[in-house]
Amino acid sequence: LAKTTQPISMDSYEGQEVNITCSHNNIATNDYITWYQQFPSQGPRFIIQGYKTKVTNEVASLFIPADRKSSTLSLPRVSLSDTAVYYCLVGDAKAAGNKLTFGGGTRVLVKP
Amino acid sequence: DSGVTQTPKHLITATGQRVTLRCSPRSGDLSVYWYQQSLDQGLQFLIQYYNGEERAKGNILERFSAQQFPDLHSELNLSSLELGDSALYFCASSLRDRVDEQYFGPGTRLTVT
Repeated sequence: LAKTTQPISMDSYEGQEVNITCSHNNIATNDYITWYQQFPSQGPRFIIQGYKTKVTNEVASLFIPADRKSSTLSLPRVSLSDTAVYYCLVGDAKAAGNKLTFGGGTRVLVKP
Repeated sequence: DSGVTQTPKHLITATGQRVTLRCSPRSGDLSVYWYQQSLDQGLQFLIQYYNGEERAKGNILERFSAQQFPDLHSELNLSSLELGDSALYFCASSLRDRVDEQYFGPGTRLTVT
């Protein structure tokens, strides 16, 4: 399983864009990059998933460079309610019988 | 609301006891996953079932076991409980036997005293 490294914490202010970078140097050919958000005492919530280049949905964008050794989750114009822990996961999400490993995550604090 | 339900929400029990946690997946989902999250720790994958069969195993202790029933609900059994088993236990489900998008339940908080 590819090991991921992300910052332990980040602070931001309301209305700003937050970018969280995840390093995954030993990502495998079949691995996808998936991000989850978790609020205290709640189950994680799927945010976005990508394989290469850029993926965008209604809540976030995911940028993946050509070498795929890192990825950046971008949260546009954050609000106080975006304060949460964000997990970057790397794994073969499309294969049967696989599992994804959650690392320590990045604790994002959005200030007024 | 993810559509995944877990019962009970809270459970307090003593060391050496046995408990059962229950999970009902989202309607139509065939895969169920169990995770453990200790205080200030990341989520540890325990085990996955797909359509009644065990599909993947993580760091699940021998004292723990799980099963998925024909109606697709799942139960996680924890026995000979120790203080270190105190944690949040999450169940997640996905449509297929792939982890591409999992839907997590609200969790069961287990406290072992």
